[in-house]
Amino acid sequence: LAKTTQPISMDSYEGQEVNITCSHNNIATNDYITWYQQFPSQGPRFIIQGYKTKVTNEVASLFIPADRKSSTLSLPRVSLSDTAVYYCLVGRNDYKLSFGAGTTVTVRA
Amino acid sequence: GAGVSQSPSNKVTEKGKDVELRCDPISGHTALYWYRQRLGQGLEFLIYFQGNSAPDKSGLPSDRFSAERTGESVSTLTIQRTQQEDSAVYLCASSPATSEQFFGPGTRLTVL
Repeated sequence: LAKTTQPISMDSYEGQEVNITCSHNNIATNDYITWYQQFPSQGPRFIIQGYKTKVTNEVASLFIPADRKSSTLSLPRVSLSDTAVYYCLVGRNDYKLSFGAGTTVTVRA
Repeated sequence: GAGVSQSPSNKVTEKGKDVELRCDPISGHTALYWYRQRLGQGLEFLIYFQGNSAPDKSGLPSDRFSAERTGESVSTLTIQRTQQEDSAVYLCASSPATSEQFFGPGTRLTVL
């Protein structure tokens, strides 16, 4: 499983855009990049997944450069309810995931 | 439709006792995972079931831990002779053959 590195924590204010960058230098050809969100006392929840270039859904955007050695999750106009831990995972969809410590995002009023 | 459910939501036990945790996956999901999450930490993979294939038990921390799954339905995680370091939230997730994982709410285990 490719190892990932992401910041331990980030602070933001309501209405701002939050960008979390994840490094995954040894990503394999068949690996996808997946981001999960976890609120306190809940299990993680899938946010977005990509392989290359840019992916956007109703929750976030995922930017992946051509070399795929990093990726950036972008949360537009965050609100207090976006306060959570965000995990970056790299690997095949059909196998066990390796969750690191994640990035704790705190949104303040 | 219903998501992944786990029971009990909370379990307090005494050191040395056995506990059994249950996971009901989403109907039709062939893959099922168990993870452990200690306070303030990320998820630790425990075991993976995929259809009728032999489970991947490589994440089980000791032989006190075991898990079973009946076909593509319910799974139980058993911890024998519990120790205080077993205290954690145990999360179950299910997934279609090759797709995102859907997590349950977890079982919070406290070993006194």
